[in-house]
Amino acid sequence: NAGVTQTPKFQVLKTGQSMTLQCAQDMNHEYMSWYRQDPGMGLRLIHYSVGAGITDQGEVPNGYNVSRSTTEDFPLRLLSAAPSQTSVYFCASSETGARETQYFGPGTRLLVL
Amino acid sequence: GEDVEQSLFLSVREGDSSVINCTYTDSSSTYLYWYKQEPGAGLQLLTYIFSNMDMKQDQRLTVLLNKKDKHLSLRIADTQTGDSAIYFCAEAPEGNLIFGKGTKLSVKP
Repeated sequence: NAGVTQTPKFQVLKTGQSMTLQCAQDMNHEYMSWYRQDPGMGLRLIHYSVGAGITDQGEVPNGYNVSRSTTEDFPLRLLSAAPSQTSVYFCASSETGARETQYFGPGTRLLVL
Repeated sequence: GEDVEQSLFLSVREGDSSVINCTYTDSSSTYLYWYKQEPGAGLQLLTYIFSNMDMKQDQRLTVLLNKKDKHLSLRIADTQTGDSAIYFCAEAPEGNLIFGKGTKLSVKP
């Protein structure tokens, strides 16, 4: 049982480049979410999904796209990276919703130049 | 709007008790949570409390909830250097977690 895995661990992008942050879980969890963590800002919800085929916006969705074609995977796409997207990104999952124990991945550290 | 407030830093000596405080705004939150983040890692759930409880104890951890004042606290007894981390308070009023900015606990030997 690997839990929640995220790749890559680190990434440097140039402004305007696109990339996909990968997140996978092997616990058959329905609920998955993406957060960004910035110094002094805590964690802010970007997008979330309550099951395969269903996604919704969180607090800070602009500049990010998600899809949920399988229960296991919940990739986060940056279409045109901006320096303001420099952050640490965490993926989390739980059985059915945010009110249950959230299992977090180890994070992806992203630097946009 | 929804907001969760915590002090940013706390420094204690090894063996002392640590108390981390949090205030939240949404009285409809059914659960309130404490998450711990160790350096370079993701968050892990430390403990949680139902909103109809005043206190919950789990080994060295005690959570106190004052629902009238919307105040939540986490007490760590006999604080150890391994407790050094960032502690996040969180509420889930409408199904998504809202985190505080985190309290960085430093434990001095």
